[in-house]
Amino acid sequence: ETGVTQTPRHLVMGMTNKKSLKCEQHLGHNAMYWYKQSAKKPLELMFVYNFKEQTENNSVPSRFSPECPNSSHLFLHLHTLQPEDSALYLCASSQERDMNQPQHFGDGTRLSIL
Amino acid sequence: GENVEQHPSTLSVQEGDSAVIKCTYSDSASNYFPWYKQELGKRPQLIIDIRSNVGEKKDQRIAVTLNKTAKHFSLHITETQPEDSAVYFCAASRVGTALIFGKGTTLSVSS
Repeated sequence: ETGVTQTPRHLVMGMTNKKSLKCEQHLGHNAMYWYKQSAKKPLELMFVYNFKEQTENNSVPSRFSPECPNSSHLFLHLHTLQPEDSALYLCASSQERDMNQPQHFGDGTRLSIL
Repeated sequence: GENVEQHPSTLSVQEGDSAVIKCTYSDSASNYFPWYKQELGKRPQLIIDIRSNVGEKKDQRIAVTLNKTAKHFSLHITETQPEDSAVYFCAASRVGTALIFGKGTTLSVSS
């Protein structure tokens, strides 16, 4: 299934670097999500966009900055990250945020902070 | 807000046995309950979901049951196979909220 594509698949960066994660969905969905998945932890919802508008920010540190230029693309801009930010970052999409529809996930970006 | 508890955190079964994973939720208005399977190194994938207007749903070896009164729902896998080994996540939501996920259950099926 290639409905939700994330790039890069792996990223190693230093704490002072700036990088961006990209997510693209080809499913015609209007809601997109960023999740953080750490070892032995649940999926932590970070941000939700519905029709390009941010509807949720779950107390995420400002060193993570999301951007949603249109309903098909979602970015996560990273700067001055900490070692504890090393995790798998998953993007997902659904038809709409409020409509109780399944979410479709990408393969994730494995992020390692040196 | 919604809180989803999932048990057990790990489950080991022999091939051919049944496996049951249980989740409880706190928001009585929740009405959508999906289950996701995440194999090692892969994306979470939806395997089955249920809405609050039904009590049970089956898809081949997988079934989900919902008890709205007790606010819990369960995943049942029968005749388990080694390829069923994965992490399983339950989730819950109601109209107007994003999905809230449980902490996951690591299922190991040994042959």
